[in-house]
Amino acid sequence: GENVEQHPSTLSVQEGDSAVIKCTYSDSASNYFPWYKQELGKGPQLIIDIRSNVGEKKDQRIAVTLNKTAKHFSLHITETQPEDSAVYFCAASKTDSWGKLQFGAGTQVVVTP
Amino acid sequence: ETGVTQTPRHLVMGMTNKKSLKCEQHLGHNAMYWYKQSAKKPLELMFVYSLEERVENNSVPSRFSPECPNSSHLFLHLHTLQPEDSALYLCASSQDAGNDAYEQYFGPGTRLTVT
Repeated sequence: GENVEQHPSTLSVQEGDSAVIKCTYSDSASNYFPWYKQELGKGPQLIIDIRSNVGEKKDQRIAVTLNKTAKHFSLHITETQPEDSAVYFCAASKTDSWGKLQFGAGTQVVVTP
Repeated sequence: ETGVTQTPRHLVMGMTNKKSLKCEQHLGHNAMYWYKQSAKKPLELMFVYSLEERVENNSVPSRFSPECPNSSHLFLHLHTLQPEDSALYLCASSQDAGNDAYEQYFGPGTRLTVT
């Protein structure tokens, strides 16, 4: 089955700097890669996603890149703000899998003022 | 708010109790999911329902029993749980499930403690 590895497990950045989180996946059939942000006491919130027919997607300060050949994808947050502090999860899924998302273990991001 | 609500938000139960978790989605979606989130572990998919039919049971022990009476409501019935079942239980919904991968929207979760 699919295995998703996520690094780093914790990331501390200064406000205004960029943060990058990387994930690798094992199943070459995976074709959908969402990223979730989870704040304390809340459920995961979808922040951006990318499908395998696209190499990069951007939404304001957030971008995701996908390298299908290497089977890895990354989340980039620019101009970080204290409200970006949260746990971020990557996930992978594929067609005909009943929506089964395989999640990474999460990255705790701390943005210090 | 994501349009997915869960009750109760917190639950403490003994190993011999029977309780139920409730999830409701207001998004007009056709698929609903139960996930388990334990400390230091990735989210684990438990069950998938598509159009009120269970389509995935991810090797979950029978002490967890899901029910989907309609496409807007999902329950997780709990009985004779073990302390290691203590976790955050998350409900999610998506437009559909099956032949494509759709965005999933999560509720806030129920924090379950088994004593």
